[in-house]
Amino acid sequence: DTEVTQTPKHLVMGMTNKKSLKCEQHMGHRAMYWYKQKAKKPPELMFVYSYEKLSINESVPSRFSPECPNSSLLNLHLHALQPEDSALYLCASSQLLATNEKLFFGSGTQLSVL
Amino acid sequence: DAKTTQPNSMESNEEEPVHLPCNHSTISGTDYIHWYRQLPSQGPEYVIHGLTSNVNNRMASLAIAEDRKSSTLILHRATLRDAAVYYCIPSSRDYKLSFGAGTTVTVRA
Repeated sequence: DTEVTQTPKHLVMGMTNKKSLKCEQHMGHRAMYWYKQKAKKPPELMFVYSYEKLSINESVPSRFSPECPNSSLLNLHLHALQPEDSALYLCASSQLLATNEKLFFGSGTQLSVL
Repeated sequence: DAKTTQPNSMESNEEEPVHLPCNHSTISGTDYIHWYRQLPSQGPEYVIHGLTSNVNNRMASLAIAEDRKSSTLILHRATLRDAAVYYCIPSSRDYKLSFGAGTTVTVRA
């Protein structure tokens, strides 16, 4: 199983809503990542977890709150988002956090903020 | 982080080879060169990576210049399913895999 599963595939939320994105992998990977991708742009790194601990936060606004409750699961909690936060949110995992590791990506959650 | 330069777009005919160049002249000696591709409506997909010597796998070949300032991804026989955005990404010591603009590859039937 070399799959990273993201749910939901699509999400529409208002600016006052609270929602969560979920990412799951069963490859035994110990590094997990959140990327954000705006239309026609490359993915941008948001957060990296290694062994369930937050290793990298790319100065992401606090309305995005990541959580890694166990080695297989990664969540992204959303609160008070802005319309400009509408984007494709991609999750990825790798065996370890290292420079020669390959990342496995999910298909993403397409988020629309109204 | 090393900066990369890739052509914005390239076109190929089906079943012909595609050579995708990438310039990474500021790469450090320990940075790996990774290539990912992103098909429409999908997440990025790992293609290949290497450090100094050329690398081959079932998807592609990676030719790395001797001075490591550039590399070329080679798709040996392009198919319509190879139409995607191809990203050349040097690794960095802070473990951030940062995507640049990439090259959009179009394959003509």
